[in-house]
Amino acid sequence: AQKVTQAQTEISVVEKEDVTLDCVYETRDTTYYLFWYKQPPSGELVFLIRRNSFDEQNEISGRYSWNFQKSTSSFNFTITASQVVDSAVYFCALSEAGGYQKVTFGIGTKLQVIP
Amino acid sequence: EPEVTQTPSHQVTQMGQEVILRCVPISNHLYFYWYRQILGQKVEFLVSFYNNEISEKSEIFDDQFSVERPDGSNFTLKIRSTKLEDSAMYFCASSEGRSSYNSPLHFGNGTRLTVT
Repeated sequence: AQKVTQAQTEISVVEKEDVTLDCVYETRDTTYYLFWYKQPPSGELVFLIRRNSFDEQNEISGRYSWNFQKSTSSFNFTITASQVVDSAVYFCALSEAGGYQKVTFGIGTKLQVIP
Repeated sequence: EPEVTQTPSHQVTQMGQEVILRCVPISNHLYFYWYRQILGQKVEFLVSFYNNEISEKSEIFDDQFSVERPDGSNFTLKIRSTKLEDSAMYFCASSEGRSSYNSPLHFGNGTRLTVT
């Protein structure tokens, strides 16, 4: 069975601070995929990134960066120089290779960026 | 960029009534999904659908639920005899292929269902 744990339920930061959202996962598969989604107050799910289990390269996209460490089963997400528009709930998620994209989501981390 | 479209954005229904949530997946996609998010909780998988049949479903997806692709474009989720605990945001998703490797899920904006 697969599981995603986001230990931080809510985080508040002041604008321009950096913030890291933690994600720890469990899976028995050797091939799996990790995701981060953003859910703004309007409610839609916005895809941010997908990572394959066999690619441990970290990734940077503008102010966003992701640190994938297979050894600790973690896939952390950092926002640099946070902005008010980053305020949202962020979900880490996992899907295993065999299924029909049955994605398991974490409980989400609510990020509030204070101006 | 093509989008998954869900209607209505908000549906209010009385307990015991049947409700149909509608989705138009991206046109060249072959795999369709419904996910559910109870307010303040995580997003949960309900069902996947391929080749006009259910390919996988969760324990949440009991006999109260059904899915259908009535024509070439729509994908629907029917909830018979709704209960208060069915109140949630329902997300439709589609993908071109089966694997997350080369075919990520595209989610719609969701339908918020309120059962009173």
